[in-house]
Amino acid sequence: QQQVKQSPQSLIVQKGGISIINCAYENTAFDYFPWYQQFPGKGPALLIAIRPDVSEKKEGRFTISFNKSAKQFSLHIMDSQPGDSATYFCAARGFSGTYKYIFGTGTRLKVLA
Amino acid sequence: NAGVTQTPKFQVLKTGQSMTLQCAQDMNHEYMSWYRQDPGMGLRLIHYSVGAGITDQGEVPNGYNVSRSTTEDFPLRLLSAAPSQTSVYFCASSEREGGAPHGYTFGSGTRLTVV
Repeated sequence: QQQVKQSPQSLIVQKGGISIINCAYENTAFDYFPWYQQFPGKGPALLIAIRPDVSEKKEGRFTISFNKSAKQFSLHIMDSQPGDSATYFCAARGFSGTYKYIFGTGTRLKVLA
Repeated sequence: NAGVTQTPKFQVLKTGQSMTLQCAQDMNHEYMSWYRQDPGMGLRLIHYSVGAGITDQGEVPNGYNVSRSTTEDFPLRLLSAAPSQTSVYFCASSEREGGAPHGYTFGSGTRLTVV
């Protein structure tokens, strides 16, 4: 019930295309859903986040779509660029005695020039 | 503003050795956590702290100890290193928003190899 399932494991997209990464969760008590971007040799960095009372959030080329009834959320990268090549993690914040983040297993994105 | 600083960046240990991974943040964040990152397994929570003097276990705490004597520092101790602890370790800190951690800032990681 505490898992966040992320897919696909890896993704190859042509420059200018749309990259889509999906996450699904079971725990309906999750209340905050961030996405992190990680470049090789670096720590994850917060990219964009959404709360369950909002169905979509857009920041530049990055959009989170959130489907509360399906317990799914996804990251869309529009006009994907080679510089977007990185590993992306979804996460969910839940409360069980204290607040904790549960992370997905990551998606390695490669954008071809 | 340095953010979250982890030292060392790389470390090789022999089985049975002990060591401490250092983590310091200068953002006055209350929440701090240690994660390990292994291929195909994402980030798994080892230990976390909600403030100075308060720590608790995450999902993979065995073989690790933590303490939080100050707001700034959150060291992770490996008691007796095992090859299964070969991993990349990340420290993260977060400000409090409405009583909850909001938007973790991660350090650059420590790559640990146990031989």
